[in-house]
Amino acid sequence: EVQLLESGGGFVQPGGSLRVSCAASGFTFTSSAMNWVRQAPGKGLEWVSGITGSGTTTDYADSVKGRFTISRDNSKNMVYLDLSSLRAEDTAMYFCAKEGGSYFLNSFDMWGHGTMVTVSA
Amino acid sequence: DIQMTQSPSSLSASVGDRVTITCQASEDISIFLNWYQQKPGKAPKLLIFDASSLETGVPSRFSGSGSGTDFSFTISRLQPEDFATYYCHQSHNLPYTFGQGTRLEIK
Repeated sequence: EVQLLESGGGFVQPGGSLRVSCAASGFTFTSSAMNWVRQAPGKGLEWVSGITGSGTTTDYADSVKGRFTISRDNSKNMVYLDLSSLRAEDTAMYFCAKEGGSYFLNSFDMWGHGTMVTVSA
Repeated sequence: DIQMTQSPSSLSASVGDRVTITCQASEDISIFLNWYQQKPGKAPKLLIFDASSLETGVPSRFSGSGSGTDFSFTISRLQPEDFATYYCHQSHNLPYTFGQGTRLEIK
């Protein structure tokens, strides 16, 4: 069974840092690009970042570029998102989402349950 | 960035009704348009990919159509479990973008 399990969310002060993680199982991990998508409370979905199956190519939304870093460890079937210089507007549920191919430009065929990040003084 | 304009933002309907949601892209995205269902407190779930392909295990009452800039998503006969929020998503170019969502409520 394909599973994605996020962890690492929590409360952090503005300007602080946090790492959220996604543990994947049930599929050939290197065959899937992986993404982070966030959803602020009561709002819609916003793509944050993606990484190819090999880990060699990454991309970011302009709203997080230079502050967030995506990475993956294919030996552990893990994807990470390092969040820094956090702002109140980064408060959201962060979902890990699997693509249907090893490069970009596919649908997101599986999502994790999400991990909540709250940025507040 | 490609802007996705989804309408309506909310919709009231009854069990057994046929409902249609539309999504318009700000530029040609060919058929690279996907539809997701999200229930409160849950993760989104892929229903339709590449504009009209039904994801495995998704009931056939869900369908999608369109290409270029104009797309539609239809539920042919609403079931109680279909009341949720639906999002379109373009996978033609990075950055990926989503429509604003359509909240489907029980009339």
